[in-house]
Amino acid sequence: NAGVTQTPKFQVLKTGQSMTLQCAQDMNHEYMSWYRQDPGMGLRLIHYSVGAGITDQGEVPNGYNVSRSTTEDFPLRLLSAAPSQTSVYFCASSLGRGGNTEAFFGQGTRLTVV
Amino acid sequence: QQQVKQSPQSLIVQKGGISIINCAYENTAFDYFPWYQQFPGKGPALLIAIRPDVSEKKEGRFTISFNKSAKQFSLHIMDSQPGDSATYFCAASGIGGGADGLTFGKGTHLIIQP
Repeated sequence: NAGVTQTPKFQVLKTGQSMTLQCAQDMNHEYMSWYRQDPGMGLRLIHYSVGAGITDQGEVPNGYNVSRSTTEDFPLRLLSAAPSQTSVYFCASSLGRGGNTEAFFGQGTRLTVV
Repeated sequence: QQQVKQSPQSLIVQKGGISIINCAYENTAFDYFPWYQQFPGKGPALLIAIRPDVSEKKEGRFTISFNKSAKQFSLHIMDSQPGDSATYFCAASGIGGGADGLTFGKGTHLIIQP
C-alpha cells in the first residue's frame, strides 16, 4: 500500500538551478495537486490536475510548471529556483471531488534553495 | 486574504485534558470542513471532517463542532494523550472535498504534557 510517493525527500539547490519533484500514486486517483508548506502559513495550493492531460493553477503558481501525462504521475518543475521557493512540498491525490472526498498526502519534499 | 483563520498557533494541554482548536471562515460557499493531523517529517493525514448540514460530528475522542451562522468550527480532543502531540490544520473546500480545493488554516502546534 504505497499511496502517494514523493521523491526526493530532501534537496538542496543553488539559485537558478532547475529540478523536478516527483509524485506518484497507485490508487488510480483522478485528482492530484501540489501544495507548499511554509512556517506559520499552512499549506497553499500551487497547481492541480483533474485528470491526465488537464492541469490548472492554484493560489501560488508562479515559478512552477506541471504536466500530467499519466494518471499515476504528477511532477512539479522548478525552472529557475529562487530562495523564496525554499519550502516543504506536498503532493496530494483524491478519487474525485464532492461527497466528502478524502485527500491523501505524500510524505513531502524538503527543498532548500541557497 | 486569509480565508480560514485558525487559533491558537500553539497549545499546551495536560494529559487527560481537553484540547480545543478553533477556526473561522469567510466564504459561505465552503461546504466541506476537514481537520488534518501532521506529525514531524510526515504529510498531513485526514483526522475528521464535517459538512455544514450537521452541527457536530464525533469519532472516538475527536469531535468537530460546527456553527454555520457564526461561520466557525472547532476541534475538540477529549482525554488528550501524549501521542496526540502534533500540528493540526483546519481546512475548507467549496467543492465538497478533493485534492485540489482545500484552503488551509495556518496550523496549531499541540503539545500534550504527560
